[in-house]
Amino acid sequence: KNEVEQSPQNLTAQEGEFITINCSYSVGISALHWLQQHPGGGIVSLFMLSSGKKKHGRLIATINIQEKHSSLHITASHPRDSAVYICAVNAGGTSYGKLTFGQGTILTVHP
Amino acid sequence: DSGVTQTPKHLITATGQRVTLRCSPRSGDLSVYWYQQSLDQGLQFLIQYYNGEERAKGNILERFSAQQFPDLHSELNLSSLELGDSALYFCASSEGGVGLAGVEQYFGPGTRLTVT
Repeated sequence: KNEVEQSPQNLTAQEGEFITINCSYSVGISALHWLQQHPGGGIVSLFMLSSGKKKHGRLIATINIQEKHSSLHITASHPRDSAVYICAVNAGGTSYGKLTFGQGTILTVHP
Repeated sequence: DSGVTQTPKHLITATGQRVTLRCSPRSGDLSVYWYQQSLDQGLQFLIQYYNGEERAKGNILERFSAQQFPDLHSELNLSSLELGDSALYFCASSEGGVGLAGVEQYFGPGTRLTVT
């Protein structure tokens, strides 16, 4: 079993829909990251969370440390949101800054 | 633009060859991380350097090696290349990365390696 699991693996939505991507992890962490990877391949960091909730524009990320679960929400989705969304964690202990990744969620938003 | 640069963007080479991938971190960042993204394995951590010293090692093959130079740029050397080494190789940098706290990482555009 992977240390970081995402669901769903694929997600198709119509423009304007509210989207939720889930991430569960099995290790102790110091932080959780949500990353976005566009078809061109580049990776952009969206959020880094260690507790609570963060919001940036139409994106909201939440984390529940006790349940080892995080969600990424996209409100009023748009075709430009189509990308792969990747959950990653900084594991606790002496892991320094390295990231352990989920398998990614492929999001397609249709106009 | 993350401020992290990687060269080359694309590399096509034959099995058995050796290649060097280069990464320049954001100005002021002391940590450099190398990640491999393949279709079957997804994104995997390879190795981290902090201010010239190796800090953490992941699933890096013995055929692969890396170093970080005094100007903080880093190189990833891949030798005796096999077909299975074909992947996207990302470099990322962060300001810290040697403590227990999470650190935000800034990713380069990646180098796409194709081994034929």
